[in-house]
Amino acid sequence: EAGVAQSPRYKIIEKRQSVAFWCNPISGHATLYWYQQILGQGPKLLIQFQNNGVVDDSQLPKDRFSAERLKGVDSTLKIQPAKLEDSAVYLCASSLSHRETDTQYFGPGTRLTVL
Amino acid sequence: SQQGEEDPQALSIQEGENATMNCSYKTSINNLQWYRQNSGRGLVHLILIRSNEREKHSGRLRVTLDTSKKSSSLLITASRAADTASYFCATSAGGTSYGKLTFGQGTILTVHP
Repeated sequence: EAGVAQSPRYKIIEKRQSVAFWCNPISGHATLYWYQQILGQGPKLLIQFQNNGVVDDSQLPKDRFSAERLKGVDSTLKIQPAKLEDSAVYLCASSLSHRETDTQYFGPGTRLTVL
Repeated sequence: SQQGEEDPQALSIQEGENATMNCSYKTSINNLQWYRQNSGRGLVHLILIRSNEREKHSGRLRVTLDTSKKSSSLLITASRAADTASYFCATSAGGTSYGKLTFGQGTILTVHP
């Protein structure tokens, strides 16, 4: 079974530029998550989708971050404009549903460096 | 904000020894999970323990949960060099959290061959 795919794996941009990340979840998984992991910390949930609807985006900095999951399959996360503190690994995860006991499967992440 | 705090922040042991990591959390939970993250890779789910369980085993892993103390521990027995990774606890609160996980800061485990 194919895992969660993410691209690009690495991205370096200047502050105030824009960047987009892509995620393709495991086939059949209804729930998709985007996490931000700053170096030395645990992942922090940015946004959670159930199919193509947003379930939780309480920790998404909406003035600069946006995300969509058209057709309830793959998803993009965008940052516009980027700040130095956005340097982090952005992890995408998926699960069968939003039940708490459903295992979340993580992709390899995109490492973003903002200069 | 981070819910859990892992202790120790870093642990260095020899192959064959046991490794114990602890996690404390602040609010009531429905379940607690442990994840492993190898350098430069995504997280891998290890084990889930529900709030009404006290202990759970999976292979060389043993997890305990003490809800009265709001703490959990992960024991890896007979460690191997391949166990070198960061280990995170993650909690879910139930209710309308819709499966949202709140992760701790992690413990970096190094197993020397």
